[in-house]
Amino acid sequence: SAVISQKPSRDICQRGTSLTIQCQVDSQVTMMFWYRQQPGQSLTLIATANQGSEATYESGFVIDKFPISRPNLTFSTLTVSNMSPEDSSIYLCSGEGQVGTETQYFGPGTRLLVL
Amino acid sequence: AQSVTQPDIHITVSEGASLELRCNYSYGATPYLFWYVQSPGQGLQLLLKYFSGDTLVQGIKGFEAEFKRSQSSFNLRKPSVHWSDAAEYFCAVGVPYSSASKIIFGSGTRLSIRP
Repeated sequence: SAVISQKPSRDICQRGTSLTIQCQVDSQVTMMFWYRQQPGQSLTLIATANQGSEATYESGFVIDKFPISRPNLTFSTLTVSNMSPEDSSIYLCSGEGQVGTETQYFGPGTRLLVL
Repeated sequence: AQSVTQPDIHITVSEGASLELRCNYSYGATPYLFWYVQSPGQGLQLLLKYFSGDTLVQGIKGFEAEFKRSQSSFNLRKPSVHWSDAAEYFCAVGVPYSSASKIIFGSGTRLSIRP
């Protein structure tokens, strides 16, 4: 299995600012994914990050609001831009543990509170 | 469209009692199916997964799940729960996407344990 870490683990931010979340995997993975978990809700996929190409966003999520970088096979960042209180959520990244296993392993999440 | 339904929002069982969490999916082909657990303040941990073969799948922490194609179900079971099993449980279906799978999560079932 892959071990995934995220930084920061939590943050409190002011409205209108931006926060960049880092996701580090202990092994190379082809695909990385970013999810949002709003309070008391399930996980919703934001986008899929493939190394060397632009991220693919799900319906309802746009690059201007959630720009993603994927500079190599072990690292990705998600930026939450121009934040509002509605962006208060847990943001989780995941990576496929081993090619062909179709199994994703998740980071511990970043808890974001926007005031 | 693919979807996952967990009909029970919250379940309470007594410690030592048996447990069954329900999950139904909607997907046109043979699905990849997963159960994840999220303990309070923690990320997601993979309990077990079904790709093909034996329809009864064994996972970690004494959990098992049975895939029933005729019922489009993948229910999670444990013969005797422990207080440490109190958590949020998510059923998920994996949809092939490029070289990995996009995961679609159910809404989750919160499990409480009665002493």
